[in-house]
Amino acid sequence: GAGVSQSPSNKVTEKGKDVELRCDPISGHTALYWYRQSLGQGLEFLIYFQGNSAPDKSGLPSDRFSAERTGGSVSTLTIQRTQQEDSAVYLCASSLVSGTSGSYEQYFGPGTRLTVT
Amino acid sequence: GDSVTQMEGPVTLSEEAFLTINCTYTATGYPSLFWYVQYPGEGLQLLLKATKADDKGSNKGFEATYRKETTSFHLEKGSVQVSDSAVYFCALTVQGAQKLVFGQGTRLTINP
Repeated sequence: GAGVSQSPSNKVTEKGKDVELRCDPISGHTALYWYRQSLGQGLEFLIYFQGNSAPDKSGLPSDRFSAERTGGSVSTLTIQRTQQEDSAVYLCASSLVSGTSGSYEQYFGPGTRLTVT
Repeated sequence: GDSVTQMEGPVTLSEEAFLTINCTYTATGYPSLFWYVQYPGEGLQLLLKATKADDKGSNKGFEATYRKETTSFHLEKGSVQVSDSAVYFCALTVQGAQKLVFGQGTRLTINP
């Protein structure tokens, strides 16, 4: 079946502009995660959605970052007033069930490469 | 806080060599441990996992054993192939916290 998809695959934006990144999780997966992969910081957790529960936003680096998940499926990560340090690959992942054991496999999308000029 | 430390790369080996990539962790709870792999031009994919002490995860000839006493989860393969060239990430999740905490990644290059 279809995996996690993300769009766009590449985004170049000017400093100060807002950007929206989209993630389509695997159908039926109730948990959705955003991560960021950058040269300086490695792979970092940003935010996590599980069903109708309040999202875990503990990884968002500043209030310029926000995310929403509509209808328990598609998610959008928004970065306002982009800065050069926001340049990174933004990865989305989904998992079937997010149980307390934490052992459910997360399936990753191909990522969106964001470049802020 | 929770963290993962991997041996620094890059690592370059010849085909059929033995591979070890070291990984140690610090966790406040009882973690599940993972190795993810990122092949050139592809997304992250799970290679193997272990959810409790002394469990051995294995896949594609790779193995890693969950060692609670040494807080380690070293990745091994007896005979590497050129197709194993990739970046390998060790990661954990802690019970009650769903996010993956990743190590810094180790770039592996296998020469024919």
